[in-house]
Amino acid sequence: DIQVTQSPSSLSASVGDRVTITCRAHQGIINYLNWYQQKPGKAPKFLIYAASNLQGGVPSRFSGSGSGTDFALTISSLQPEDFATYYCQQSYTTPWTFGQGTRVEIK
Amino acid sequence: QVQLQESGPGLVKPSETLSLTCTVSGGSISNYYWTWIRQPPGKGLEWIGYIYYSGSTSTSYNPSFKSRVTIAVDTSKNQFSLKVISVTAADTAVYYCARDAKTTYSNNYYRFFDYWGQGTLVTVSS
Repeated sequence: DIQVTQSPSSLSASVGDRVTITCRAHQGIINYLNWYQQKPGKAPKFLIYAASNLQGGVPSRFSGSGSGTDFALTISSLQPEDFATYYCQQSYTTPWTFGQGTRVEIK
Repeated sequence: QVQLQESGPGLVKPSETLSLTCTVSGGSISNYYWTWIRQPPGKGLEWIGYIYYSGSTSTSYNPSFKSRVTIAVDTSKNQFSLKVISVTAADTAVYYCARDAKTTYSNNYYRFFDYWGQGTLVTVSS
């Protein structure tokens, strides 16, 4: 299995802050990396595929970057509705695997 | 707009079989992969397996489930299903069904979960 590790596991930030979450795959996955947002009691919402391609309807303040083993999700200006848990997921090979999640909390 | 809805018992006894169905509406089940993912309370996401609409010869399962899992599809009902045998308390989780979509970008195929059900909590307890 390809293990995927996110950091940090949680962070506190204020509205308007720039936030970056990192995701490291334990072997190279080119750019087969997706990002999801999950709010409490809700299903995850798909944000980004192929490391940097925004799904339709996702605000442009979200961006993804990286290739190989190191990836990042950046929120350029945090909005109140962005407080949630974020997961990366590799789609390079099965079993598909997720990072453990990064919880973004209000400071 | 594609919608998915999980259904099935919310309580299963240890050693018995967990059975869930996902009904797809607002679109056809054809030409897509369909997947199950679970999330134990307070924990992260775990992929269980997927099936292609064409049926059981096009499945992939997470080896961590050690052959306890079967996913099937019924295209006539626009549904797919999950069975997990010999459940224990460790199988207590919110179970999600999702569309496992494929797209082409820069001459490569990419897979991702673009539509999800709302999730259903299954508790394993006597």
